[in-house]
Amino acid sequence: DTGVSQDPRHKITKRGQNVTFRCDPISEHNRLYWYRQTLGQGPEFLTYFQNEAQLEKSRLLSDRFSAERPKGSFSTLEIQRTEQGDSAMYLCASSAVGTGAADTQYFGPGTRLTVL
Amino acid sequence: AQSVTQLDSHVSVSEGTPVLLRCNYSSSYSPSLFWYVQHPNKGLQLLLKYTSAATLVKGINGFEAEFKKSETSFHLTKPSAHMSDAAEYFCVVSDLRYTPLVFGKGTRLSVIA
Repeated sequence: DTGVSQDPRHKITKRGQNVTFRCDPISEHNRLYWYRQTLGQGPEFLTYFQNEAQLEKSRLLSDRFSAERPKGSFSTLEIQRTEQGDSAMYLCASSAVGTGAADTQYFGPGTRLTVL
Repeated sequence: AQSVTQLDSHVSVSEGTPVLLRCNYSSSYSPSLFWYVQHPNKGLQLLLKYTSAATLVKGINGFEAEFKKSETSFHLTKPSAHMSDAAEYFCVVSDLRYTPLVFGKGTRLSVIA
């Protein structure tokens, strides 16, 4: 396995602009998760997919955020009309559905977003 | 609802001495518990995982954790700290009813030479 990859690793944008991040999960992992981590905090769940279906969205995911996983492989996370409060590390994780226990999630390196 | 409390935001130890990072959890269902480590400018790495098998779980790099249901605790230990152990450590809970991970706020481990 090549691991979870994310692109870009860093993104600097101006307030009001739209940004899109991409995540490529470990091949054959059918679950894909997005988390957000702000400075000094643990990651917080945003949304997750099983194959191409988006199964859950956190209340943290405002209507400016949208995520897709069109073919059940890679996923994109778009933020429209960015605000300074969106500045954070956006983490992607993938897992294979386990049996009898919560699946183990493997994380990518993250995309650090800075909104000026 | 699940939650995790990491009892120390910062722990400092001398190299070669034991490490103890404390974690308490709350879960209304049979939990899975994890410890992840995050080194500066690196991604989250899984240290170990508890899933209702043995209560003493061994992980990578000499770390282990013990699940104590009566105390709702899952403390992380290592007999002898190494300089390379300096990092941020996260205690995490999940379960079959709610698969997204719920993270604690983290404990920063410093190792003094």
